[in-house]
Amino acid sequence: KAGVTQTPRYLIKTRGQQVTLSCSPISGHRSVSWYQQTPGQGLQFLFEYFSETQRNKGNFPGRFSGRQFSNSRSEMNVSTLELGDSALYLCASSLGDRHTDTQYFGPGTRLTVL
Amino acid sequence: GQQLNQSPQSMFIQEGEDVSMNCTSSSIFNTWLWYKQDPGEGPVLLIALYKAGELTSNGRLTAQFGTTRKDSFLNISASIPSDVGIYFCAGIRSGGGADGLTFGKGTHLIIQP
Repeated sequence: KAGVTQTPRYLIKTRGQQVTLSCSPISGHRSVSWYQQTPGQGLQFLFEYFSETQRNKGNFPGRFSGRQFSNSRSEMNVSTLELGDSALYLCASSLGDRHTDTQYFGPGTRLTVL
Repeated sequence: GQQLNQSPQSMFIQEGEDVSMNCTSSSIFNTWLWYKQDPGEGPVLLIALYKAGELTSNGRLTAQFGTTRKDSFLNISASIPSDVGIYFCAGIRSGGGADGLTFGKGTHLIIQP
């Protein structure tokens, strides 16, 4: 079974631009979660989508948004990029059981904001 | 958000040595997960634990779900160079959901040949 895939793997943008990242979950998984990873803050939860609906949201500004399509693929968008948005963005997919769910991560998208 | 207390932060060991790391929290967890992350890659799931007291092995790796449900341990026996990386614990709090997936800050394992 193919794992979680993320595109692109690397991205360089400048301040003020916007960016869209894509995530394809493991086949059969209905939940996709997004995380931001930085050396200083570690892994921080952005949001989770389940059956095309945002089910949970972390403590990030409204510039960070996402959506999920009917085939469970998900996109994450960051508008008006800031230098501090430079990070590894990870998506993780799972079956969607809220109480025992095991999440499987993709390789991440490395975003650099200049 | 809330993070687990993972220790040690880093370990410098000799090849062949055993490794132990742990995560603790003041909250109760339903599930404990251990991941390994190589530079520039996403975390890879090593072991998942679903029941208090559970002891699970995956090759040279053994992890335990603490009986209080507030901690977990990972042991690596007879370390080899490819064990180098950052190990993260993660827990799903009672109440569930992705917002309940809490991460430790990681243990950076460095192996000296």
